[in-house]
Amino acid sequence: DADVTQTPRNRITKTGKRIMLECSQTKGHDRMYWYRQDPGLGLRLIYYSFDVKDINKGEISDGYSVSRQAQAKFSLSLESAIPNQTALYFCATSDFGTDTQYFGPGTRLTVL
Amino acid sequence: AQSVSQHNHHVILSEAASLELGCNYSYGGTVNLFWYVQYPGQHLQLLLKYFSGDPLVKGIKGFEAEFIKSKFSFNLRKPSVQWSDTAEYFCAVKDTDKLIFGTGTRLQVFP
Repeated sequence: DADVTQTPRNRITKTGKRIMLECSQTKGHDRMYWYRQDPGLGLRLIYYSFDVKDINKGEISDGYSVSRQAQAKFSLSLESAIPNQTALYFCATSDFGTDTQYFGPGTRLTVL
Repeated sequence: AQSVSQHNHHVILSEAASLELGCNYSYGGTVNLFWYVQYPGQHLQLLLKYFSGDPLVKGIKGFEAEFIKSKFSFNLRKPSVQWSDTAEYFCAVKDTDKLIFGTGTRLQVFP
């Protein structure tokens, strides 16, 4: 679904490197989310933002940071990547009052 | 905080078999419940949702789910599965201002 895009789609990096994953949306939604998906663990929330000036930690924020550059853009950074951050990362958006989230295609990150 | 349990981790069915995937959430009150599906190599898509009203919710592709408040459950059903239903299915519940997802159920349907 082109409404929520993520770049890059795949990334291989080395331990200790700084990585940024980007998310853009054209749905006009105020709320944006970052999740990671691991086999057997489902989706876990890393950070979420309800508007440009609002950033909230999720369940597993340690080792991650985010930036909400604009209503349409929400980036996730790994300051110093480690192998257990190897996962599939999803961005999602939702509109105020609906709670239904719309997901991007995901970024597969491998940390060697 | 809310939590979600999906007890079926991996389900294997033949085409035309009936499907029921379990989902339980941890505590009551007003709940908003969701089922999402992730087809192989794709992103999550909303199958159906329950906010209030009729506890039997119909979604896309012939799926339905029943909200049973007394059992804290929101099980997903389909009377006759197809090979194209092969996917991972996630139940989610709203907790304050975010969604809590279950660990997912992987469904494999064989022709």
